[in-house]
Amino acid sequence: EAQVTQNPRYLITVTGKKLTVTCSQNMNHEYMSWYRQDPGLGLRQIYYSMNVEVTDKGDVPEGYKVSRKEKRNFPLILESPSPNQTSLYFCASSCETSGTKGYNEQFFGPGTRLTVL
Amino acid sequence: GQNIDQPTEMTATEGAIVQINCTYQTSGFNGLFWYQQHAGEAPTFLSYNVLDGLEEKGRFSSFLSRSKGYSYLLLKELQMKDSASYLCAGIDSNYQLIWGAGTKLIIKP
Repeated sequence: EAQVTQNPRYLITVTGKKLTVTCSQNMNHEYMSWYRQDPGLGLRQIYYSMNVEVTDKGDVPEGYKVSRKEKRNFPLILESPSPNQTSLYFCASSCETSGTKGYNEQFFGPGTRLTVL
Repeated sequence: GQNIDQPTEMTATEGAIVQINCTYQTSGFNGLFWYQQHAGEAPTFLSYNVLDGLEEKGRFSSFLSRSKGYSYLLLKELQMKDSASYLCAGIDSNYQLIWGAGTKLIIKP
């Protein structure tokens, strides 16, 4: 089944304790992206990747890191989480054509609800 | 600045028709998406418009007017399962997605 998976689905942690949220897709998609979703603000892009070893900042990259060592995986790293990073996080992927960024339909993972105390 | 505006919440009756509007201001324009998101779940793709006009897909249709910076999603024969948030997202000249905050649609029997 074609899908995007994220782990963990729920996480409660404390300020400053490094954490990683994994994201994996099995559709051979070039483009992958991380979003956070907060009430009333809609989806905001954190980082995106056009392909392996290529990552770029989105709208709200501060406090986050990503890596793209393999095509299928795009982990999100919070080196020192803070309470303002409490949010619902979505990973998404899409196939890429003509060098556009997220131009095609994006497939979203199930989401990770993170609480930082 | 770039902006996507859509109503925060709408209510409609089962079996009826509802239109969810979206206006956009982006630097350049390369199309507009509509996604559906049930509470606590991931967004799922509904439609993509890049040319003016109406695109129909079963009970759902999406309309775009580039000259007016306006789109709408039309849902016909509403069912209770259509209760969800509907997200509008525009693509700017750099092919970045600009997301609206979403419209929560409540369907009443």
